[in-house]
Amino acid sequence: LAKTTQPISMDSYEGQEVNITCSHNNIATNDYITWYQQFPSQGPRFIIQGYKTKVTNEVASLFIPADRKSSTLSLPRVSLSDTAVYYCLVGPGGYNKLIFGAGTRLAVHP
Amino acid sequence: GAVVSQHPSWVICKSGTSVKIECRSLDFQATTMFWYRQFPKQSLMLMATSNEGSKATYEQGVEKDKFLINHASLTLSTLTVTSAHPEDSSFYICSASLAGGNSPDTQYFGPGTRLTVL
Repeated sequence: LAKTTQPISMDSYEGQEVNITCSHNNIATNDYITWYQQFPSQGPRFIIQGYKTKVTNEVASLFIPADRKSSTLSLPRVSLSDTAVYYCLVGPGGYNKLIFGAGTRLAVHP
Repeated sequence: GAVVSQHPSWVICKSGTSVKIECRSLDFQATTMFWYRQFPKQSLMLMATSNEGSKATYEQGVEKDKFLINHASLTLSTLTVTSAHPEDSSFYICSASLAGGNSPDTQYFGPGTRLTVL
């Protein structure tokens, strides 16, 4: 399983765009990149998943360069409710186990 | 869609007793489910992979006789913490895999179960 590296913490203010970058130098050809959000005392919530280039949904965008050795989760116009821990995971898919790293603790300030 | 539930959401038990936690995929069938444990301010730690109709695969360091996993149907997996002790107090989270269409398999997580052993 490819190891991921993310910043331990980030701070932002309401209304700003937040970009969280994840490094995964050993990503395999059949690996996908998935991001989850977790609030205290809750299970992780799926945010977005991608393989290459750019993926966008109603809550976030995921940018993946051609070499796929990193990815960036972009949260547009964050609000206080986006304060959470964000996990980047790399793996071939849901039937295969995921190993969580430390994640990025995002704090959004008024 | 892709909703996973857990029951109970929290439980308090006495040391030495056993506790069963249920994980259900409500609107899809899940051949594979996973169990995680999370201590305060830490990340999720995978405990085991649960496959319907077969024995669970445990991660290194996880005692299979203490954490009994049963995946009897495509929508239900259970985790039983046997002879619980205070050090087993933690947040237990399950996930279920959903596959379909052109999308890769994705894990969806339950809300978690807070276990406190007195």
